[in-house]
Amino acid sequence: SQTIHQWPATLVQPVGSPLSLECTVEGTSNPNLYWYRQAAGRGLQLLFYSVGIGQISSEVPQNLSASRPQDRQFILSSKKLLLSDSGFYLCAWSVMGGQQPQHFGDGTRLSIL
Amino acid sequence: GDSVTQMEGPVTLSEEACLTINCTYTATGYPSLFWYVQYPGEGLQLLLKATKADDKGSNKGFEATYRKETTSFHLEKGSVQVSDSAVYFCALSDWTGNQFYFGTGTSLTVIP
Repeated sequence: SQTIHQWPATLVQPVGSPLSLECTVEGTSNPNLYWYRQAAGRGLQLLFYSVGIGQISSEVPQNLSASRPQDRQFILSSKKLLLSDSGFYLCAWSVMGGQQPQHFGDGTRLSIL
Repeated sequence: GDSVTQMEGPVTLSEEACLTINCTYTATGYPSLFWYVQYPGEGLQLLLKATKADDKGSNKGFEATYRKETTSFHLEKGSVQVSDSAVYFCALSDWTGNQFYFGTGTSLTVIP
């Protein structure tokens, strides 16, 4: 069966520090991969999605970036965090092609001080 | 473009009450429809899905029927429990399978 791992679960970072969140998927090949952000009490905001290694589409211009160095690895990064980057970050995957559901990791709670 | 609209929350119900969370959609062609549940501090879990008109998705006592004539996919449960307290998201995958849209979420609190 397929599983998705996301870490760390919680992170407290000072303003201006770098960020690296990692997501890996097991049990499937060539997944579509997604990064979402969820502000407190709010809905989901799609940040990035990827349909293959090295292929990243950005939905919202910001100081975050994403990379997909391997088929089942998706990384969210920032060189200098802002206070507004606080939130709950969710990674998701779906089967490529067809009207398939997305499957989510457990999320990372990021607090910027 | 395609979109999903779900009822505003929060919703507060007593245990064993009936639940309906409304969801309507706008889409070209024939989307697939989903309900997700998010418990506090966790990621989203797929609750149920329906892939064509008149399909009924069901899981854990929850049901939703894909109604093309009313472009709706309302979530229902006959008797809610305290453990159902969570945020519920309606979502659709467009007919190409390339785009996925989420509603804004509806918070449900069930009190004993």
